[in-house]
Amino acid sequence: GAVVSQHPSWVICKSGTSVKIECRSLDFQATTMFWYRQFPKQSLMLMATSNEGSKATYEQGVEKDKFLINHASLTLSTLTVTSAHPEDSSFYICSATRPINEKLFFGSGTQLSVL
Amino acid sequence: GESVGLHLPTLSVQEGDNSIINCAYSNSASDYFIWYKQESGKGPQFIIDIRSNMDKRQGQRVTVLLNKTVKHLSLQIAATQPGDSAVYFCAETAGANSKLTFGKGITLSVRP
Repeated sequence: GAVVSQHPSWVICKSGTSVKIECRSLDFQATTMFWYRQFPKQSLMLMATSNEGSKATYEQGVEKDKFLINHASLTLSTLTVTSAHPEDSSFYICSATRPINEKLFFGSGTQLSVL
Repeated sequence: GESVGLHLPTLSVQEGDNSIINCAYSNSASDYFIWYKQESGKGPQFIIDIRSNMDKRQGQRVTVLLNKTVKHLSLQIAATQPGDSAVYFCAETAGANSKLTFGKGITLSVRP
């Protein structure tokens, strides 16, 4: 079964609104979670590293004020796309490392479509 | 491997044949490598991994080969099945909780 749960699976929103995506580790505590973005026919691009209890670390070129990350607990990280625009439409994926085997597991992804 | 690709190359194989998917990675400091399978509209699914102190690792119907000299990673799938059709990504990282860098990805298409 899934060890990392991501919600929602897909979301359609109007331009200018904000969208929150949740990533939960189901049966383990994750001090670090990762957020990726994937455009069609392309590979995954790391956006940021989410650290429990501290600020996220953003990759170069990723606007931290636009993509707000909150890792308030050891099992939940959220990504909020603020003032979304059509160019933000993409597949967003989170991941977390399971401590027992140090394997990285991915959520099922969230398809965001901004109209 | 590079984290962004404009087009995904495609490998087409006949059902029942063996598939070999190749990946070149760029960071000589990477010590942990993973192959993922991604089906349309889903997140990546772990297939098999290998650490840099090994050059071969076998799973069920899959084998990963690592050549550190030329920084090359390959995934072999035995007796390829229609359910194997997906996009396959190699990924590399250096150290626990370090960033995972994904390769460009290859689309595997299985002909019936």
